[in-house]
Amino acid sequence: AQKVTQAQTEISVVEKEDVTLDCVYETRDTTYYLFWYKQPPSGELVFLIRRNSFDEQNEISGRYSWNFQKSTSSFNFTITASQVVDSAVYFCALSAVRSNYQLIWGAGTKLIIKP
Amino acid sequence: DAGVIQSPRHEVTEMGQEVTLRCKPISGHDYLFWYRQTMMRGLELLIYFNNNVPIDDSGMPEDRFSAKMPNASFSTLKIQPSEPRDSAVYFCASSRLISYEQYFGPGTRLTVT
Repeated sequence: AQKVTQAQTEISVVEKEDVTLDCVYETRDTTYYLFWYKQPPSGELVFLIRRNSFDEQNEISGRYSWNFQKSTSSFNFTITASQVVDSAVYFCALSAVRSNYQLIWGAGTKLIIKP
Repeated sequence: DAGVIQSPRHEVTEMGQEVTLRCKPISGHDYLFWYRQTMMRGLELLIYFNNNVPIDDSGMPEDRFSAKMPNASFSTLKIQPSEPRDSAVYFCASSRLISYEQYFGPGTRLTVT
């Protein structure tokens, strides 16, 4: 079965702290894709990153970084020096051939950054 | 380039009325998806199209829901008759390929009273 687990329902930190959002996935496919999306209070869904299963290199984009580890089936997301504007719900998602490449969504982690 | 465009942004209607949601995907994207988001069920895929052809509508809740894509730049999701339990945010998304990232529209917040 394909599954994405985001065990952290809600995280609250003070501005400028670093924060890591966890994502654990399950799939039997060898080729798959992992995604992170951001949903700020305004409601839109914003694409952040796509990673394929053959590329385990970590990715850094400004204050955002992603750690993909196939050995632990995890694709964690870290925000460095968090800012109030980072407050949002963050979704991790999986796409694989067994699900006809439809996105399997995690439940989301609500991140609250306090000033 | 413009992103995915959805209209209306908000819709309030009475039970039993017909509701039509509209979507314009990103130009050049061959896939279009309709999702529904509620607090109880999260994000649910309703239907998706490839090159204007419906591929999988297994997520459509019931016959009251229908979707069309008459051309590459326009799709509609229709609910007839609407019910209070249809109240949700409806998102349209598009992607170049099925395995690529999906870009979402701003959503339509539907309230059925």
